[in-house]
Amino acid sequence: QSALTQPPSASGSPGQSVTISCTGTNNDVGGYNYVSWYQQHPGKAPKLMIYEVNKRPSGVPDRFSGSKSGNTASLTVSGLQAEDEADYYCSSYAGSNNLVFGGGTKLTVL
Amino acid sequence: EVQLVESGGGLVKPGGSLRLSCAASGFTFSSYSMNWVRQAPGKGLEWVSSIISSSSYIYYADSVKGRFTISRDNAKNSLYLQMNSLRAEDTAVYYCARDYDSSGWNYWYFDLWGRGTLVTVSS
Repeated sequence: QSALTQPPSASGSPGQSVTISCTGTNNDVGGYNYVSWYQQHPGKAPKLMIYEVNKRPSGVPDRFSGSKSGNTASLTVSGLQAEDEADYYCSSYAGSNNLVFGGGTKLTVL
Repeated sequence: EVQLVESGGGLVKPGGSLRLSCAASGFTFSSYSMNWVRQAPGKGLEWVSSIISSSSYIYYADSVKGRFTISRDNAKNSLYLQMNSLRAEDTAVYYCARDYDSSGWNYWYFDLWGRGTLVTVSS
């Protein structure tokens, strides 16, 4: 199972919005609404930010939102803050009891 | 406190074996599907294996199938990963992760992670 495709990097200034894409196939992202997004700060464990494409766990700011169109999912961070600087990973159920992650995107707050 | 704590990592030679453990506390461990996810140094996340709450269903990534065995002991609130025939490419931090839903089945997103344990496979 191939990894989902994410841009290696993204950036934005404080207060701006940035969108990170996650491209798969109709066997994973396009075939299921089990797309999730994780935030990982250096040396820390990942943190669930979005699940089932666009749902936020309790405690995640509403500045974080998710969407999907066809085989591409997106994470949008609005009103960028310094603490949003981290690596972001998407994941998708890929059928046959298999889960696939994206390669990760390093978000820099300028 | 709700937490997962991994242990058992270390340095092992290619072809060797290692058993990882994950101790859960602060929640009803027996109600959740559990997973192992790994991250090679400087690389992205890779799902390794999953076990539902009753242990009736177990799943593996193709990269570890036949070499790794996941198990759990609900009485001890513990998750395990037996790793055999280890290869250099298995070198990674191994995270224990809880499935989001308490139904016991897989929903394939993880809301609680441990801090990880490093496995290094090298001669």
